[in-house]
Formats: sequence, C-alpha cells, structure tokens
Amino acid sequence: GAGVSQSPSNKVTEKGKDVELRCDPISGHTALYWYRQRLGQGLEFLIYFQGNSAPDKSGLPSDRFSAERTGESVSTLTIQRTQQEDSAVYLCASSRTHRRSAFFGQGTRLTVV
Amino acid sequence: SQQGEEDPQALSIQEGENATMNCSYKTSINNLQWYRQNSGRGLVHLILIRSNEREKHSGRLRVTLDTSKKSSSLLITASRAADTASYFCATDDAGGTSYGKLTFGQGTILTVHP
Repeated sequence: GAGVSQSPSNKVTEKGKDVELRCDPISGHTALYWYRQRLGQGLEFLIYFQGNSAPDKSGLPSDRFSAERTGESVSTLTIQRTQQEDSAVYLCASSRTHRRSAFFGQGTRLTVV
Repeated sequence: SQQGEEDPQALSIQEGENATMNCSYKTSINNLQWYRQNSGRGLVHLILIRSNEREKHSGRLRVTLDTSKKSSSLLITASRAADTASYFCATDDAGGTSYGKLTFGQGTILTVHP
C-alpha cells in the first residue's frame, strides 16, 4: 500500500489476555517506530527498529511488552497479560531511513476491560 | 532522556490570527520536525528543519530553530478553522546508542474559532 497500515484499528480485550498489534510500513522504509498515546497525552516512545541494527527497546514499559520486525517489513507489537493501564492508541511510523520525516499509521485503539 | 516540550499546552485564537507554538529540547539533534494530529489518531508530518538551518517556510507555516537555546517555534499565519488540531514537535537524537530515534513532546492543542 501507499501508506503505513496498522491492524486491527480497534481492539477490545479482557484483562489478562494477550494481544498482538500489526504494522505494515511503507515499502523500502528501513526505520520503524512504535509509540503509545494515552487519551489527551503526548506520544510515548516504545521501540525503534533501524535496518539490521539491534532495536532500541528502551521505551518498553515492562517485560509484558515485546516487538519484532522481520527484515524491513512487517512488525508486530505483543502485549502479554494485558492490564487496564495498557488501554491507549498504539501508533506505528516508518521512515526511509533515520534522519528523515516519519509517516504514521492510523493507530490501533486498544481497550482493556 | 531527550524530549521536546511544547508551549503553550493549549492555544485558542480567532480565524485569521497567527498562531505560535514553541518547543524546547535537551540534547544535540540532527533535525527537528513538526507534526499535526487530528482526532487522536495518525500524525501528519508538516515540516523538518535540520540542525544547521535557522528558518524554514512551507506555505502558511514558518519554523525557526535556535540550537544555542535548544528551542524551535512553529508559526501558522492567517489561521483557519481547519487548522484546529494538536501539534507536536519531534527531535531526532544526534548521538548515543539510539541514533535517529524520534522523541515527541506533549503537544499543543490549537483551537481556531470561525
């Protein structure tokens, strides 16, 4: 596709369940970012992939959060044993390389009940 | 850690007026970017200014960068109701272990009244 695609767009899950969020970056973009945005708040950095370098996982809030990326393609963000405080919009972005502008997907709105 | 911080948190103006938002950051950067967000979903890139640039224009947008003060401003001239949105600055880290990581501030909520 022409833009960054995220799925699902909305997800409601029960507390304690695992969820997997998917991001399809723009083809050829080597950099990929995941952010979390709580209602009315700014973007909280989670993880950053750049090419074949080791990802920067410094923003992952706990060991319940993990992310993978296969080469320069799809990335998945997994949240295990979800908690109510995990409710937020999860945004993915990609850029051609670092030091360039990023293109965002529309996000996945996660609600943990 | 590096973070852009916007000021003011909220700005309310009348259509036709200019809107100015400021951003401060803490460490060395490669570039600074401004983004716009409508309705709490995806962000749209507005403009990028490199660390060796002082001013940049794009349509009704004017961005300045003062690396000595570690600050940037975004000016929207002749605002329109459709400019109502949240505006975020993002800094691209220049060093450390995460070269190129984009770090966002908390944003400025702009409301333009018709």
